[in-house]
Amino acid sequence: EVQLVESGGGLVQPGGSLRLSCAASGFAFSSYWMSWIRQAPGKGLEWVANIKKDGSEKYYVDSVKGRFTISRDNAKNSLDLQMNSLRAEDTAVYYCARPSHFGVYWGQGTLVTVSS
Amino acid sequence: EIVLTQSPGTLSLSPGERATLSCRASQSVNSIYLAWYQQKPGQSPRLLIYGASNRATGIPDRFSGSGSGTDFTLTISRLEPEDFAVYHCQHYGSSPLGTFGQGTKLEIK
Repeated sequence: EVQLVESGGGLVQPGGSLRLSCAASGFAFSSYWMSWIRQAPGKGLEWVANIKKDGSEKYYVDSVKGRFTISRDNAKNSLDLQMNSLRAEDTAVYYCARPSHFGVYWGQGTLVTVSS
Repeated sequence: EIVLTQSPGTLSLSPGERATLSCRASQSVNSIYLAWYQQKPGQSPRLLIYGASNRATGIPDRFSGSGSGTDFTLTISRLEPEDFAVYHCQHYGSSPLGTFGQGTKLEIK
């Protein structure tokens, strides 16, 4: 069974940093692109970042370019999102996700709140 | 970048009625890249339909998807009480990042 378990969310002040992690199990992690997708309170879903199977390609939504970094460790079956210079508008539930043409597998999400 | 527009924003219906939700793409897309999700408060999205018309594992047959090109539809033939939720369409596969529609809230009338 595919399992994605996020951790690392919490309350952070504007301008601060936070690192999210995702532990993956139940599938061949190194064979899949991985993603972070977020959902602000009461809002829709937004694709934040993608990383290729071997980590050689990374893509970001414009609003987080230069502030967020996605990375992976295939030996540990883990996915990270380093978030710097956080803003109030980054407040959201962040989902670790495994995308494919057959749909997305989702973690349970971790809440990030940016507030003073 | 492909933009997905869902309509209506809110749909008010009664159990037993038929629901028709629309997702329109800003340009023609390959239907194999189009999916639908159901989301209830406090939960992660649940995959309903992939490839525009294929039901995911365990999804009841009252849920069906159709469409091609720029226009896609999710139909729930007879609403059950547990079907009232937010529905998202999603495109992934022809660009580095996927995109979502803004969602349709299906509420009890």
